[in-house]
Amino acid sequence: NAGVTQTPKFQVLKTGQSMTLQCAQDMNHNSMYWYRQDPGMGLRLIYYSASEGTTDKGEVPNGYNVSRLNKREFSLRLESAAPSQTSVYFCASREGTTNEKLFFGSGTQLSVL
Amino acid sequence: QKEVEQDPGPLSVPEGAIVSLNCTYSNSAFQYFMWYRQYSRKGPELLMYTYSSGNKEDGRFTAQVDKSSKYISLFIRDSQPSDSATYLCAPLSGGYNKLIFGAGTRLAVHP
Repeated sequence: NAGVTQTPKFQVLKTGQSMTLQCAQDMNHNSMYWYRQDPGMGLRLIYYSASEGTTDKGEVPNGYNVSRLNKREFSLRLESAAPSQTSVYFCASREGTTNEKLFFGSGTQLSVL
Repeated sequence: QKEVEQDPGPLSVPEGAIVSLNCTYSNSAFQYFMWYRQYSRKGPELLMYTYSSGNKEDGRFTAQVDKSSKYISLFIRDSQPSDSATYLCAPLSGGYNKLIFGAGTRLAVHP
């Protein structure tokens, strides 16, 4: 059982380049989330999708877009990367009913030069 | 003021010690209180959660919430080197889009 799978694990971009972070879960979860983790800041929510076909902004959405491609997949796109987007990105999923548990992927370490 | 404050550590203890990890929060509406454990270069995983005030025990771990003082604690008894990780407190009120994570306390348990 793979759980939540993120690709790539590492990425280096130049300022202004674009890229998409991929996330897939095989637990038939309804809700999916994208977080970024920075030193001293904790995890901050970028975007989330409560169910297939819906997406909403979180705490820090500027500079990002998302797509809930289907129930399994939730991608995060950086259209024009900036050094301030250097971070570790985590995708998470949750059943979305009464289950409080968030399942996280292993993260993508992104550096923007 | 941050909604959740957590001492970043690092906290270094010998194997077998009792560890106390703490968070303070400012929003009195928080109802669920979770602790996530994060090993190096891994995603967080849920360790425990409690609802409202009181204690909850799970093996060597005890989660404690004092809503009157807005204080959350996680105690680890007989700490092991495998407990070396970063511990994130995460209080919740309302939907999961409102889940707030503390910055985490890094714990190192040495043999």
